[in-house]
Amino acid sequence: EAQVTQNPRYLITVTGKKLTVTCSQNMNHEYMSWYRQDPGLGLRQIYYSMNVEVTDKGDVPEGYKVSRKEKRNFPLILESPSPNQTSLYFCASSPFTKGQTYEQYFGPGTRLTVT
Amino acid sequence: QQPVQSPQAVILREGEDAVINCSSSKALYSVHWYRQKHGEAPVFLMILLKGGEQKGHDKISASFNEKKQQSSLYLTASQLSYSGTYFCGTEIGNSGGYQKVTFGTGTKLQVIP
Repeated sequence: EAQVTQNPRYLITVTGKKLTVTCSQNMNHEYMSWYRQDPGLGLRQIYYSMNVEVTDKGDVPEGYKVSRKEKRNFPLILESPSPNQTSLYFCASSPFTKGQTYEQYFGPGTRLTVT
Repeated sequence: QQPVQSPQAVILREGEDAVINCSSSKALYSVHWYRQKHGEAPVFLMILLKGGEQKGHDKISASFNEKKQQSSLYLTASQLSYSGTYFCGTEIGNSGGYQKVTFGTGTKLQVIP
């Protein structure tokens, strides 16, 4: 089954304790992206990647890191989480062809609480 | 720049119709529509491209007025399964496939029996 998976689905942590949220897709998509969803603010893009070793900042990258060492994986790293990063996080993937727009496939989400 | 969606919320009875609007202050290359059910991931509905091309479900109807920089999603003969939050995403200019889609804050639709 074609899908995007995220782990963990729920996470409660304390301020400053480094954490990683994993994202994996089995559709051989070149493009992957991370979003955060907050009430009243909709989906905001954190980082995206067009292919292995190619990443770029989205609209709200502060406090986050990403890496893309394999095509299927795109982990999100919070080196020193703070309470304002409490949010619902979604990973998404899509094909990538220069000049073409495609639909994005979203993972199930990770609900993160930082106390 | 985040697109503006209206209404913010709407309640329908089964069988009724609804229109969700999405507008931008800038010229648009494409408009994307997604639906998110409570506790689930957003699911793709449709992409409307400048020039009239559409990609998406045959049963979903939408329009894209390039001149007015807005799009509308039409939900006809609503069913309980239509309930959820609808997001539009806008792409300003052809971002060359880099998916520079900015999402609105969503329209919460509830269909009741």
